[in-house]
Amino acid sequence: GDSVTQMEGPVTLSEEAFLTINCTYTATGYPSLFWYVQYPGEGLQLLLKATKADDKGSNKGFEATYRKETTSFHLEKGSVQVSDSAVYFCALPQGGSEKLVFGKGTKLTVNP
Amino acid sequence: DTGVSQDPRHKITKRGQNVTFRCDPISEHNRLYWYRQTLGQGPEFLTYFQNEAQLEKSRLLSDRFSAERPKGSFSTLEIQRTEQGDSAMYLCASSLEGRVQPQHFGDGTRLSIL
Repeated sequence: GDSVTQMEGPVTLSEEAFLTINCTYTATGYPSLFWYVQYPGEGLQLLLKATKADDKGSNKGFEATYRKETTSFHLEKGSVQVSDSAVYFCALPQGGSEKLVFGKGTKLTVNP
Repeated sequence: DTGVSQDPRHKITKRGQNVTFRCDPISEHNRLYWYRQTLGQGPEFLTYFQNEAQLEKSRLLSDRFSAERPKGSFSTLEIQRTEQGDSAMYLCASSLEGRVQPQHFGDGTRLSIL
């Protein structure tokens, strides 16, 4: 079935460092792809999305490009801040249904 | 847009008790979803509604779990005869209709079984 594989964490960076969190997917067809972020003690917030191949989603300095050739949707940010410390989840709707399938999450800690 | 609201935020109960959680979706959203998240994992789908109709249920949803959305607005998730393994964060999300529509999540209800 459709699935998402996310880079294992945790990831620890210094402020202003470059961030990449890898996400690859297995899916029938070309589903929309999503990145969600979860801050401590809170629910998930949609960070960005892409709905078709070669689309680039972006928000708050984060970007991810929907790559059909490599079945990837890697999350990037050029300069992270302490406030970006959170858990990041890659997700897609499972084939033919409305339910989202999530990766296991990658915990990011940014130190000052 | 007041966002998705869940109540209570935390629930502590003894094994064997029944618990009920409430979710109020974003008002114009006709789809409502329930997920369960355990520590260190991503959310896992439990069930979803379109208006008042429950359209899909996961095999994770044993017969001790029941969800309702009686008037197509708020939803309740009840767990009967709770077990230790039910300890988790229960997340509610809502969306407009359509597979490209993102799901908007509430802050969740954290259930702890003593």
